[in-house]
Amino acid sequence: EAGVVQSPRYKIIEKKQPVAFWCNPISGHNTLYWYRQNLGQGPELLIRYENEEAVDDSQLPKDRFSAERLKGVDSTLKIQPAELGDSAVYLCASSPGLMNTGELFFGEGSRLTVL
Amino acid sequence: GQQVMQIPQYQHVQEGEDFTTYCNSSTTLSNIQWYKQRPGGHPVFLIQLVKSGEVKKQKRLTFQFGEAKKNSSLHITATQTTDVGTYFCAGARGSYIPTFGRGTSLIVHP
Repeated sequence: EAGVVQSPRYKIIEKKQPVAFWCNPISGHNTLYWYRQNLGQGPELLIRYENEEAVDDSQLPKDRFSAERLKGVDSTLKIQPAELGDSAVYLCASSPGLMNTGELFFGEGSRLTVL
Repeated sequence: GQQVMQIPQYQHVQEGEDFTTYCNSSTTLSNIQWYKQRPGGHPVFLIQLVKSGEVKKQKRLTFQFGEAKKNSSLHITATQTTDVGTYFCAGARGSYIPTFGRGTSLIVHP
């Protein structure tokens, strides 16, 4: 069975440019998460979806970040415009159940470098 | 808000030595998870602890959850070079999503 798939793996952009990341969770997983991981830090939650509903987005910088999960499957995370401080690895994760019911399955991540 | 502190940040050991990382929460947790992230990789789930005082073992890895459910530890016996990576604890309170610690990076010298 395929794991969580993310693209692109790497992205280099100049500040003020837009960028988008895509995530395909494990088939059948209702819950999808976007995390940001800065160098030397643990993952920090940006947003969580239960099916197509965003149920926890308190940590998402809404002035420049947006996310969507159409049809409750794939998800995209967008940053517009990007700032230097947005350089990080953006991790997508999924879990089979609703709410906090067990392990998170992470994708390989999308490493963003903002110049 | 909930915070999860993890120490040490780095640990260098000689192959064959033991290793321990500690996780402490400012609040009582409903459960705690442990993940391993290899250099350049993504976090991979190791285990979840739920009960007060729970101890679980996976080969050379021993996981403990404190009696007060505010702290946890991961102990590796006789480290190997394959143990290299960063170990994260992630503590959850009630139905809230786990909060990750900063991680402990284990460096094993052959």
